[in-house]
Amino acid sequence: SAVISQKPSRDICQRGTSLTIQCQVDSQVTMMFWYRQQPGQSLTLIATANQGSEATYESGFVIDKFPISRPNLTFSTLTVSNMSPEDSSIYLCSVPQGALAFFGQGTRLTVV
Amino acid sequence: KQEVTQIPAALSVPEGENLVLNCSFTDSAIYNLQWFRQDPGKGLTSLLLIQSSQREQTSGRLNASLDKSSGRSTLYIAASQPGDSATYLCAALTQGGSEKLVFGKGTKLTVNP
Repeated sequence: SAVISQKPSRDICQRGTSLTIQCQVDSQVTMMFWYRQQPGQSLTLIATANQGSEATYESGFVIDKFPISRPNLTFSTLTVSNMSPEDSSIYLCSVPQGALAFFGQGTRLTVV
Repeated sequence: KQEVTQIPAALSVPEGENLVLNCSFTDSAIYNLQWFRQDPGKGLTSLLLIQSSQREQTSGRLNASLDKSSGRSTLYIAASQPGDSATYLCAALTQGGSEKLVFGKGTKLTVNP
């Protein structure tokens, strides 16, 4: 099974600032996914990060707000830009291995 | 558009009780259905995966079933323990266009000693 390290585990940020979340995988993977879990809600896919190409964003999510980098097959970052209190959520990265999905421990973001 | 619903939203049981968590999905065109456990600060842990051609999967005290025709899956936990306390999520990997996991909101389980 894939081991995924996600940093930071939590942060409290001022509105209007940006936070970059890092996701490191212990093996090379083609696709990495970024999810958001708002309080009391289900996980929602933000985007798919593919190495060597632009990320693919889901409806309702845009690159200017959630820029993603994927410099190699083991690492990705998600930036939450110009934050507002509505961005307070848990953000998770995920990788598939076969039919299974593996997740990082998540980043709990609070915007004040 | 696939929608996944989990009932109940929360469940509290005494230790030792057998229990069933329910998951329903609106689009039966799925590749598989996966059950996860979510603990605070620990992300998601995969518990069981049921392929669309399968009816059930078992792992220890856990048994998951899948009925595609009715759009339902259940997670059965036998002889519950306080360590089973967590939020349980189901997710359907949906066919058609971009394959992606669609999650329910989860059932928060509390097992009381």
